[in-house]
Amino acid sequence: QSALTQPASVSGSPGQSITISCTGSRSDVGSYNYVSWYQQHPGKAPKLMIYEVTNRPSGVSNRFSGSKSGNTASLTISRLRAEDEADYYCSTYTSSTTLFGGGTKLTVL
Amino acid sequence: QVQLQESGPGLVKPSGTLSLTCAVSGGSISSDNWWSWVRQPPGKGLEWIGEIYHSGSSNYNPSLNSRVTMSVDKSKNQFSLKLSSVTAADTAVYYCAERLKFKTYFDMWGQGTMVTVS
Repeated sequence: QSALTQPASVSGSPGQSITISCTGSRSDVGSYNYVSWYQQHPGKAPKLMIYEVTNRPSGVSNRFSGSKSGNTASLTISRLRAEDEADYYCSTYTSSTTLFGGGTKLTVL
Repeated sequence: QVQLQESGPGLVKPSGTLSLTCAVSGGSISSDNWWSWVRQPPGKGLEWIGEIYHSGSSNYNPSLNSRVTMSVDKSKNQFSLKLSSVTAADTAVYYCAERLKFKTYFDMWGQGTMVTVS
């Protein structure tokens, strides 16, 4: 299994929107709605932000949204805030294994 | 709400065995959850190591399968990871995490513990 492909970095200004992509294959991202997204601040454990492509856990801001088209899933953060600056990881679950993307560093300018 | 806490030696010698434990509080190790380990080398991304159910059923990352053993201790409400034949490449922060049965994501994580192979 190859890791899911994410851009190494993205940036945006406060108030703007950004989108992070996560590209897999027809056998993982493309076949199942099992994509989740995690936010990780430096020195902290990852935090679940989106699950099953589009769902937000209780307590996660509605500024975070997820979508999928073909073999690529996306995380969109609207109305960027300084505290959104973090690393973001996508993940899929297929054949009883979990696969993570390489991670994307979001910089809020 | 379940809380997870990793513990174990912070330093392991090359070719030795890394051993970590994750204590589960606020819930039972025998509940309908898969108990997982994820690691993160310094400055790098997340890597799933594997998971275990309270029955003893387990799934491991194919790339680590030959070196990984996971177990559950119901009497202590904890689960464990053993990684054998370690090298410097196994230096990482190791997290334990919870995945609800029939779900496909980790909704609870421990704070992580740094293990250095040297």
